[in-house]
This record gives sequence, C-alpha cells and structure tokens, in this order.
Amino acid sequence: NAGVTQTPKFQVLKTGQSMTLQCAQDMNHEYMSWYRQDPGMGLRLIHYSVGAGITDQGEVPNGYNVSRSTTEDFPLRLLSAAPSQTSVYFCASSNGNYNEQFFGPGTRLTVL
Amino acid sequence: GQQLNQSPQSMFIQEGEDVSMNCTSSSIFNTWLWYKQDPGEGPVLLIALYKAGELTSNGRLTAQFGITRKDSFLNISASIPSDVGIYFCAGPPNTGNQFYFGTGTSLTVIP
Repeated sequence: NAGVTQTPKFQVLKTGQSMTLQCAQDMNHEYMSWYRQDPGMGLRLIHYSVGAGITDQGEVPNGYNVSRSTTEDFPLRLLSAAPSQTSVYFCASSNGNYNEQFFGPGTRLTVL
Repeated sequence: GQQLNQSPQSMFIQEGEDVSMNCTSSSIFNTWLWYKQDPGEGPVLLIALYKAGELTSNGRLTAQFGITRKDSFLNISASIPSDVGIYFCAGPPNTGNQFYFGTGTSLTVIP
C-alpha cells in the first residue's frame, strides 16, 4: 500500500493564481481531511469529508474548496492564492474522525 | 474554535532524562491521540486513548486519558536523541466530526 500520497511536494504561486493540491489514499478510508501548518504552530483543519460526496468545513476553510467524488481522492483547490496561504499542507485519512489519522508527506506552498 | 493547549511549549533535556508534557482542552474529548512530527514529515501516531482514565504504553512512552476527559498526559522515559521532534496531542471533541491538534511541544535531547 502506498498509504496517503500528495502532489506536488513543493509549489510556488503568484498572488491570484489558482491551483489544486492532490491527495489520494489506498486504504479505503472514509474520513479524509486537509490541514495547514504554519511555522511554530499545530495543524489546523481546513476541510474534511466523511465519505464520497460529503464534505464540510473545518476551522480555517476560507479561500479553499474541496470535493470528494471518489473514496480515494480528496483534492484541495485554491481559487485565488494569497500570501496568507503560504504554508505546509497535509492531507490525512482514517476510519472515522475518532481513529488514527494517516498523513501524507505534505505540500510546501509559497505564494508570492 | 476548539483550542488544545500544550505545555510546555519547548523542552531541552539531557539524554537519559524523563519527559512529561500535557494537553488541555476547553471541552470534552472522546479520544486522545498523541503524534510526533519529525522535521519535514507528516505527524505519526504514537499512542491512542479511547476511555477516560485509560493509561497506555508504547515502549518508553506512556500516555493517560484524563478522568475529566478535558486533558491528557504523555511521558517519555529515559530519553534518547531520536526522541527529538514536536509532539502533538489531537482528537475529536465529543460532538461533531472535526478534529483538532494541540499547539505542540518541541523536544530537544542533548547527548
């Protein structure tokens, strides 16, 4: 099993550009989530999904969109990047929000 | 939103010393999870706690689920250099589907 994979690993954007961060898991987990981690801080939940076709907002959803058309994939979209979105983004999956979450390697995003 | 406060924020200890850290929340949690994050990596689960009062060990690590369900504790015995990293508590509150991480405790072990 590959576990949770994320692409790209690094990305530099200009303010106003759009992009999609990809996340995929092969563990048949229903629960998937996106976090951002800023320097010296913990992870903050952006959006999560409890199953295909179901998504909901987390703690810091503004500026991000998600969709969940399959169990395996959970992409995160930035429609108009802003410098405040410079961060490390982690995708995770689990069997329910009360269980161990398995994390991807992260995407390091810089918005100029 | 929910806030999980961890203390201490950072620790500098000698190799071989024991370490204690804790995590408190403003609301009741159903599950407490302790993660470790190495530089440039995603967090990795160390210990999971599912019941108030539960005490669970994983090698040199021991964690406890506080009886109020609003706190948890992690102890590391006889620290070694590879214990260096950031330790996070995390979990879901007893309502909703969200998941929260603590502010983290950064551990440095001096050989």
